[in-house]
Amino acid sequence: EAGVTQFPSHSVIEKGQTVTLRCDPISGHDNLYWYRRVMGKEIKFLLHFVKESKQDESGMPNNRFLAERTGGTYSTLKVQPAELEDSGVYFCASSQDPAGTSTDTQYFGPGTRLTVL
Amino acid sequence: LAKTTQPISMDSYEGQEVNITCSHNNIATNDYITWYQQFPSQGPRFIIQGYKTKVTNEVASLFIPADRKSSTLSLPRVSLSDTAVYYCLVGPFNQAGTALIFGKGTTLSVSS
Repeated sequence: EAGVTQFPSHSVIEKGQTVTLRCDPISGHDNLYWYRRVMGKEIKFLLHFVKESKQDESGMPNNRFLAERTGGTYSTLKVQPAELEDSGVYFCASSQDPAGTSTDTQYFGPGTRLTVL
Repeated sequence: LAKTTQPISMDSYEGQEVNITCSHNNIATNDYITWYQQFPSQGPRFIIQGYKTKVTNEVASLFIPADRKSSTLSLPRVSLSDTAVYYCLVGPFNQAGTALIFGKGTTLSVSS
């Protein structure tokens, strides 16, 4: 079974430009999460989708960030316009709904390294 | 979510058993304990999860005392490839949508 995939693996853009990151979750996982690590800091939660609905956007830093998950499959995270402080690694994770005695285990993708110059 | 405290770094040699202890004094009744491993340039990888007592899988063991205020991740006979950052997280992971709160983790360095 394929894991969580992210594209691109690296992106270098100039301040003021737009970048779109993509995440393909594990097939059948309704829950999709975005996290990011900015330089020297811990990994921080950005938002959570259940299928195509945003359930929790509390970690989104500002309105320059827009996440979508049309159709409840893959998700995109757009940064427009990008600022220097947006540089970091953006991770996507997915999970199934826990059922019975199971728990919500999140599986992470390899991340997209974004550099804003 | 409960805050966790773990050593910043640990060193070991190949073939040794490594135990990483995590403190979570404010753990809630419905919180679980989860450990992730992260290699450079990769995303965090789930290792093991438990609620109480002992859990073992093919990768590690997790020991949780009765008061659940701490937990110990045990890696048997480590190899060079176990060099990574290990994160201890607690939260109500029996519910979907729980945002994972990562601390700095423990950087484990394994030497030959």
